Amino acid sequence: AQKITQTQPGMFVQEKEAVTLDCTYDTSDQSYGLFWYKQPSSGEMIFLIYQGSYDEQNATEGRYSLNFQKARKSANLVISASQLGDSAMYFCAMREPFYNQGGKLIFGQGTELSVKP
Amino acid sequence: GAGVSQSPSNKVTEKGKDVELRCDPISGHTALYWYRQSLGQGLEFLIYFQGNSAPDKSGLPSDRFSAERTGGSVSTLTIQRTQQEDSAVYLCASSPDLRGSYGYTFGSGTRLTVV
Repeated sequence: AQKITQTQPGMFVQEKEAVTLDCTYDTSDQSYGLFWYKQPSSGEMIFLIYQGSYDEQNATEGRYSLNFQKARKSANLVISASQLGDSAMYFCAMREPFYNQGGKLIFGQGTELSVKP
Repeated sequence: GAGVSQSPSNKVTEKGKDVELRCDPISGHTALYWYRQSLGQGLEFLIYFQGNSAPDKSGLPSDRFSAERTGGSVSTLTIQRTQQEDSAVYLCASSPDLRGSYGYTFGSGTRLTVV
């Protein structure tokens, strides 16, 4: 069965420093997609970055980059130059194939990031 | 609309009452998903729609839960005879298609409290 594991329940980072949030996944599918979402205390899920399993280059979106290591089945999120507004819960997710529940997302348990001034 | 809209944002209901949660997806998005996030838990998939059709309802936690979608747009999640364990944030997401390559846009959720 597909599974997402986030082993860091909580993390602290100093403002302006970089931080890496870990995510490992398990799947037998060759084609899959990996996502990172941010959930502030207000509750909305904000899409950050996407990596397709066939993408050879690591995805980047502004201060966010995804360190994709396919052989190790890891998809770590790197946030550069942390800001106070980055304090939130971060979820790693994997998309099921479309024929399985319409391509639903499977989520990890999340990592709560706190940015210190 | 510009984003996925969910209503109400908060709902407090008495145990045993029925509730309806509404999701208005982004215009043109054919795929719609419902998730549940319980306190301290990750997100649990409930059901998806392709157009107005929900091909697989096995993710719904019990037969007290039902969902429909009309006109390929608005979806309603109904919980009958609510129980305290139904208390959670219910999130709706939409996507242009089932491939999901364009990402899934989530609404702000409905926080349901059963007292």
